[in-house]
Amino acid sequence: QKEVEQDPGPLSVPEGAIVSLNCTYSNSAFQYFMWYRQYSRKGPELLMYTYSSGNKEDGRFTAQVDKSSKYISLFIRDSQPSDSATYLCAMATGRRALTFGSGTRLQVQP
Amino acid sequence: DVKVTQSSRYLVKRTGEKVFLECVQDMDHENMFWYRQDPGLGLRLIYFSYDVKMKEKGDIPEGYSVSREKKERFSLILESASTNQTSMYLCASRSSVSNTGELFFGEGSRLTVL
Repeated sequence: QKEVEQDPGPLSVPEGAIVSLNCTYSNSAFQYFMWYRQYSRKGPELLMYTYSSGNKEDGRFTAQVDKSSKYISLFIRDSQPSDSATYLCAMATGRRALTFGSGTRLQVQP
Repeated sequence: DVKVTQSSRYLVKRTGEKVFLECVQDMDHENMFWYRQDPGLGLRLIYFSYDVKMKEKGDIPEGYSVSREKKERFSLILESASTNQTSMYLCASRSSVSNTGELFFGEGSRLTVL
């Protein structure tokens, strides 16, 4: 079993839709939770960062962490064609290297 | 603007060849990482380095080695390339004092081994 599970998609939605992306994990020691966005033929870039449980909002993006369920989510409101990318969840214990999910490919149709 | 540069975007090599993938960062970061990215498997950690001349194995180090002689440069070496090493290779760096532990990635090196 992988430490971090993520549905690979692809996920196709119309412009303006609310998008929900999710990851589950098995290592209860994870404390740092991140979402990276990766455009085609580019390296991943940090989108959202959360420490421990709770919600964090940044513009159209909201990250949620539920440590009791070992479940994290990324919500995108009013999705735009420019949001079309692969979204990778990532998590870490302390200062160790990040463990990534396999990524969900999102396509927002104009 | 922070930058991680991978010297080769696309490489084609033959089975058994020695392959060098170079990565340079200009952010004075202590930590550097090599991941490979494959469809359905996501990013898997090959090796990482907390500082100059230091290296630690990641989750899939077999068939790879690394070199970190200078702080800004982290090289990944495939001693004898095999077809199952065909992949996208991503280098990343991180400040050891970062509050978020954010990794900064290069644009990747796509390696094909024939």
